[in-house]
Amino acid sequence: QQPVQSPQAVILREGEDAVINCSSSKALYSVHWYRQKHGEAPVFLMILLKGGEQKGHEKISASFNEKKQQSSLYLTASQLSYSGTYFCGTEEYGNKLVFGAGTILRVKS
Amino acid sequence: NAGVMQNPRHLVRRRGQEARLRCSPMKGHSHVYWYRQLPEEGLKFMVYLQKENIIDESGMPKERFSAEFPKEGPSILRIQQVVRGDSAAYFCASSPQAANTEAFFGQGTRLTVV
Repeated sequence: QQPVQSPQAVILREGEDAVINCSSSKALYSVHWYRQKHGEAPVFLMILLKGGEQKGHEKISASFNEKKQQSSLYLTASQLSYSGTYFCGTEEYGNKLVFGAGTILRVKS
Repeated sequence: NAGVMQNPRHLVRRRGQEARLRCSPMKGHSHVYWYRQLPEEGLKFMVYLQKENIIDESGMPKERFSAEFPKEGPSILRIQQVVRGDSAAYFCASSPQAANTEAFFGQGTRLTVV
């Protein structure tokens, strides 16, 4: 039931782009994206609902393909502050919110 | 509007003692999730509650662990007879409804069993 995230880790230089993928074997109602910095709580980034929508948050955007049960998080022109672990959470209607194992992103100057 | 409040932030217990972790959801939120996180690992789902109801506890060990979310007061995660393997960060998150809305996390409780 746990969604699968890829890659497990990625290292970027400032200004480079990255894509983090999230896939599930179950039909999804929504996908949530969070970022967690070391020793801190996960911080909500965005939620995507059924309908294949794409959302944006500064230079971070995401897409949701409900037919493929996949979501992707796009980070463009990465900044040092983007470093952290990114989690996708998947939700079936009326059900629990389950997270993937996380993708560690490190942005170097 | 205060965020999700968890207390205590840090808790040290000796093996065999009980640990009680509290989570006060954001105002207007009636859904609470509890997660456990080991160092350098992901967020493992434990239990999902609505006011006075346990909706899904499939991630919670059958023994020693229990959770409640009473009509009044915070949600409580209770661990009886703690063992060293219970040492972890425990996060709760709250949302205003079951689906279709964002969930916000508290700062977590770091439990250390000595």
